[in-house]
Amino acid sequence: DGGITQSPKYLFRKEGQNVTLSCEQNLNHDAMYWYRQDPGQGLRLIYYSQIVNDFQKGDIAEGYSVSREKKESFPLTVTSAQKNPTAFYLCASSARVLGTYEQYFGPGTRLTVT
Amino acid sequence: QQQVKQSPQSLIVQKGGISIINCAYENTAFDYFPWYQQFPGKGPALLIAIRPDVSEKKEGRFTISFNKSAKQFSLHIMDSQPGDSATYFCAAKGEYGNKLVFGAGTILRVKS
Repeated sequence: DGGITQSPKYLFRKEGQNVTLSCEQNLNHDAMYWYRQDPGQGLRLIYYSQIVNDFQKGDIAEGYSVSREKKESFPLTVTSAQKNPTAFYLCASSARVLGTYEQYFGPGTRLTVT
Repeated sequence: QQQVKQSPQSLIVQKGGISIINCAYENTAFDYFPWYQQFPGKGPALLIAIRPDVSEKKEGRFTISFNKSAKQFSLHIMDSQPGDSATYFCAAKGEYGNKLVFGAGTILRVKS
């Protein structure tokens, strides 16, 4: 089955700890994205990557870091500098083909920091 | 900052009724307007999308109406069913790349 996997589904961490969220896709998509979802605020873009070894900050990148060493993988690290890390995190990918714009989303990881 | 404003925040519709969700944007460079459907605990999935050179697009019970001069677009769900109960997001894409700007979402509940 082609798609995007995110693991784990639920993640619990103590305040002050860094945590890495996994995102893997087998759709052969060049572009990948990380969003944060909070109630009533829609999806806000954290980081995105158009191609391997390249990524750009989105609208709310502070306190987060990413890497893109492989086409299939785009892990997100939530650092202790992120002031309010508890949220639902969504990874997405899209093809870089002219006229194709659909983003495919993974099932999400719910992170709780206490 | 690029924005897409979505309303209402929540909506309750009787089974068989019409659900209408509205979005407005400011950036005239947006060139692709998708709607995503999200069920609780799941990732969003593309429902239907429209380009600005088209005023309406219909897929089954779902229709997008697009008003370029007013910079508004809306989703109409005809014959709404309890299975349509979900959160709906409108979005818009700028002219470069595939980055999307999302509205805040509308929680739809269809009462049976």
